[in-house]
Amino acid sequence: AQKVTQAQTEISVVEKEDVTLDCVYETRDTTYYLFWYKQPPSGELVFLIRRNSFDEQNEISGRYSWNFQKSTSSFNFTITASQVVDSAVYFCALSEWRDTGANSKLTFGKGITLSVRP
Amino acid sequence: DAGVTQSPTHLIKTRGQQVTLRCSPKSGHDTVSWYQQALGQGPQFIFQYYEEEERQRGNFPDRFSGHQFPNYSSELNVNALLLGDSALYLCASSVLHEQYFGPGTRLTVT
Repeated sequence: AQKVTQAQTEISVVEKEDVTLDCVYETRDTTYYLFWYKQPPSGELVFLIRRNSFDEQNEISGRYSWNFQKSTSSFNFTITASQVVDSAVYFCALSEWRDTGANSKLTFGKGITLSVRP
Repeated sequence: DAGVTQSPTHLIKTRGQQVTLRCSPKSGHDTVSWYQQALGQGPQFIFQYYEEEERQRGNFPDRFSGHQFPNYSSELNVNALLLGDSALYLCASSVLHEQYFGPGTRLTVT
């Protein structure tokens, strides 16, 4: 069975601080996908990144960066120079590979509430 | 290009009633998945529809059922509502390995 653990439940930082959100996953599949989503107070889940299990290259997108390490089954997310607008709940998710063309279900962690204070 | 849309936005029902939630996928997406998100929790997978058939199902009772129409839009039906069904219901449409979520329907059961 697949499982995603986000051990941090709430993080509070002051604007311009860097913050890292941790994600640890469990799966018996050798091919899978990892995701991060942002959920602002409005409730809609906003897609941030998708990474497949064969691509361990770290990725940077503006102030966001992701560190994927298969050896430790972790897919951590860092926000550099945080801003008040980054305040939201962040979810890490896992899906198995399906070669049928249809998507597999997402298994989510419980989420991390990030508060960025001015 | 419109994203995933859901209706209604909010809904209040009484225990024992039935409810139908609706989802229109993003243009070009042929797969629709439904998730339930209880307060303070991550979304839980209910089921997925592809080519008008239920393709995958999560650990939800038969009270939860769905349908996908030829235009790929979908409905989620919940019968005999329980207080515990109160949650945000999210629809996700997808193609290949990307899933995009709608704004959700917040269901309150009293």
